[in-house]
Amino acid sequence: EAQVTQNPRYLITVTGKKLTVTCSQNMNHEYMSWYRQDPGLGLRQIYYSMNVEVTDKGDVPEGYKVSRKEKRNFPLILESPSPNQTSLYFCASTISGPFTDTQYFGPGTRLTVL
Amino acid sequence: GENVEQHPSTLSVQEGDSAVIKCTYSDSASNYFPWYKQELGKRPQLIIDIRSNVGEKKDQRIAVTLNKTAKHFSLHITETQPEDSAVYFCAAFSGGGADGLTFGKGTHLIIQP
Repeated sequence: EAQVTQNPRYLITVTGKKLTVTCSQNMNHEYMSWYRQDPGLGLRQIYYSMNVEVTDKGDVPEGYKVSRKEKRNFPLILESPSPNQTSLYFCASTISGPFTDTQYFGPGTRLTVL
Repeated sequence: GENVEQHPSTLSVQEGDSAVIKCTYSDSASNYFPWYKQELGKRPQLIIDIRSNVGEKKDQRIAVTLNKTAKHFSLHITETQPEDSAVYFCAAFSGGGADGLTFGKGTHLIIQP
């Protein structure tokens, strides 16, 4: 089954404790992206990747890092989480970019930073 | 960068009536406009999209219109049903030097029985 998976689905952590949210897709998609969703603000793009070893900042990249060492995986790293990063995070992928094909979303990761 | 405004933030309609959600965008280079539906506790899912070389697209009860001159596009849902209740997001893709997708803030559509 074609899918985008994220782990963990729920996470409660404390300020400053490094964490990684994993994202994996099994569709051989080149384009992957991370969004955060906050009430009243919609979905905002954090980082995206056009292909392996190619990443770029979205609208709200501060406080986040990503890596794309393999086509299927696109982890989101919070080196020193802060309470303002409490949010619902979605990973998404498409074949070669949001213009060319349907963007598939993962199930979401709800992060709380205390 | 691109800026997408979406209105209204909440829309309540009677079952069977039509619903219209409107979005405006700022970057005249934007050329792809998808609409996503997000049910409570679920991930966003694409319901319809339109590219800049087309003025209107329909898929059963939903349609999207695009006015490039005015830089706005709209989602139309006819004969609304309870299962249409959800949050709807518009988005715009401008390409060029930025390959990201900019979303509107969402519209909570409520279908009244």
